[in-house]
Amino acid sequence: EVQLVEFGGGLVQPGGSLRLSCAASEFIFSNYAMSWVRQGPGKGLEWVSDISGSGGTTYYADSVKGRFTISRDNSKNTLYLQMNSLRAEDTAVYYCAKCHGDYGADYFDYWGQGTLVTVSS
Amino acid sequence: DIQMTQSPSTLSASVGDRVTITCRASQSISNWLAWYQQKPGKAPKLLIYKASSLESGVPSRFSGSASGTEFTLTISSLQPDDFATYYCQQYNSYWTFGQGTKVEIK
Repeated sequence: EVQLVEFGGGLVQPGGSLRLSCAASEFIFSNYAMSWVRQGPGKGLEWVSDISGSGGTTYYADSVKGRFTISRDNSKNTLYLQMNSLRAEDTAVYYCAKCHGDYGADYFDYWGQGTLVTVSS
Repeated sequence: DIQMTQSPSTLSASVGDRVTITCRASQSISNWLAWYQQKPGKAPKLLIYKASSLESGVPSRFSGSASGTEFTLTISSLQPDDFATYYCQQYNSYWTFGQGTKVEIK
């Protein structure tokens, strides 16, 4: 069974940085695009960023462009999200999600359990 | 950007009821639409993809349909395990979610 486990969340001050990781297992990681999706407290789902299987193509939501960087290490089956210049509105549970395919827009067939990021002074 | 408008935001229903949730796209997305179910404190779970294809393992009481830019998720006979929040998502151009529909006990 596909497993996705996020970690790295926590409390950070406004303007600070945090790096999230997502460890993947039970599928050929490099064959699939991966995304980060977040959910603010009591709010709906918001797509944040996506990366192709090779890591060569990335996409970002306008709300995080220029502040967040998505990357992956296929040798370690791990997805990352580097978050800089954090704002209060970035407070959310961050989920990593496996895309059904390797490229282009596709639906998310598996999700991790999420990691909470709280931006507050 | 493609906007997804989901309705209603809350739906009160009883076990055994037929339930319908609607999602409208701001422009054509062909059939590139998915539906997810989310329970409190849990990750979303894929139910339907490509507007009407049932994900493996999902009960057949769930179904999806499409008409132009309007998409529908139907639960034919609501079960106790189905009380949750449901989200539509377009994946024609990047990814956009609807605002969610909470299905609660009447």
